[in-house]
Amino acid sequence: NAGVMQNPRHLVRRRGQEARLRCSPMKGHSHVYWYRQLPEEGLKFMVYLQKENIIDESGMPKERFSAEFPKEGPSILRIQQVVRGDSAAYFCASSPNSVNTGELFFGEGSRLTVL
Amino acid sequence: EDQVTQSPEALRLQEGESSSLNCSYTVSGLRGLFWYRQDPGKGPEFLFTLYSAGEEKEKERLKATLTKKESFLHITAPKPEDSATYLCAVQATGSARQLTFGSGTQLTVLP
Repeated sequence: NAGVMQNPRHLVRRRGQEARLRCSPMKGHSHVYWYRQLPEEGLKFMVYLQKENIIDESGMPKERFSAEFPKEGPSILRIQQVVRGDSAAYFCASSPNSVNTGELFFGEGSRLTVL
Repeated sequence: EDQVTQSPEALRLQEGESSSLNCSYTVSGLRGLFWYRQDPGKGPEFLFTLYSAGEEKEKERLKATLTKKESFLHITAPKPEDSATYLCAVQATGSARQLTFGSGTQLTVLP
């Protein structure tokens, strides 16, 4: 049973380019979360999605960031016009239901470097 | 605003030397407190959930406890493979489903 799959594992972008990070949840999981981990900081919540719905995006910057979880295919976190401050590890996590939502299964992360 | 503070930031132990990690939290209402383990270059791995003061959970050499203000992760007779960063997180009532994480304690167990 494959775990949470994230790709790419490493991504390098120049300032002003776009970054797209993909996340396939564990089989049978329909709840997806994105967290960001800046160097020397803890994990910060960004967004919580279910299939075709954004449930909570209170942690996501209003500008340049968007997330989706379509009916078919992976969840995507999109960062437009990246800046150096976007350099971080972006982790996706999934859960099977809306009950035990603190018991998350995390992927190995996508590490974004902005030059 | 929910806050989680972990101490110490880093801890070095000899193999077999038991110790405890601390997680202090401030939250309007606690839905749950969670412990995760994170190895370098990997995503966090879930360890425990605690819901109410007085609750305890155990797994191999690890035991997590909870009071109204803090949680402890006790490590008994640690082995080098227990070396990792241990993360504490809280989920507040009314906060939808987001977790607020502490910055972690980096544990190194020397052989």
